[in-house]
Amino acid sequence: SQQGEEDPQALSIQEGENATMNCSYKTSINNLQWYRQNSGRGLVHLILIRSNEREKHSGRLRVTLDTSKKSSSLLITASRAADTASYFCATDQGRGSTLGRLYFGRGTQLTVWP
Amino acid sequence: SAVISQKPSRDICQRGTSLTIQCQVDSQVTMMFWYRQQPGQSLTLIATANQGSEATYESGFVIDKFPISRPNLTFSTLTVSNMSPEDSSIYLCSVGGGSNYGYTFGSGTRLTVV
Repeated sequence: SQQGEEDPQALSIQEGENATMNCSYKTSINNLQWYRQNSGRGLVHLILIRSNEREKHSGRLRVTLDTSKKSSSLLITASRAADTASYFCATDQGRGSTLGRLYFGRGTQLTVWP
Repeated sequence: SAVISQKPSRDICQRGTSLTIQCQVDSQVTMMFWYRQQPGQSLTLIATANQGSEATYESGFVIDKFPISRPNLTFSTLTVSNMSPEDSSIYLCSVGGGSNYGYTFGSGTRLTVV
């Protein structure tokens, strides 16, 4: 399978704490993206990190990428109850016959308690 | 980024029937992607739809079961044919923003087959 793995599958924290989610993948990539999904609805793009980048920030989000280990992490700082959602990583292999296709990890269900 | 209107948002269908899902994009895009998300699972790519050519299907998905139309650069349909309860899933369409941008997803169609 070209899909990745994420851990933990579920994460439960208090408001104000940080949440860290990890993603591993199997093939070389063009970029890796993180998405959020509320209650089984459409996905919202959060952040994209290219294969030649190691770290990226966007607001309370911090993403790291280690291509040698084929892994990425998403850190949400100072979490809020509104951050409760499922978070997915997705790899864009971006070449050849797979150009433009995204392969998703299993996702992490984050619950933030007020 | 593009805005996608996906219809219907949900439907309950009898086994053996077919359902056509529509996605309308507010800008012209070369490729559109269709995904399936089975209950509690991650997203799996069904096919890539290019305007003017047959869709390219991923392993495990066939045109007879999931015919796709792409009549122009802003519109696509996915039909789920001869449905069985195993087809109960959320179906999502997506368009890409290029190698440096994330993808935009429709709000999803929650299909229940009874």
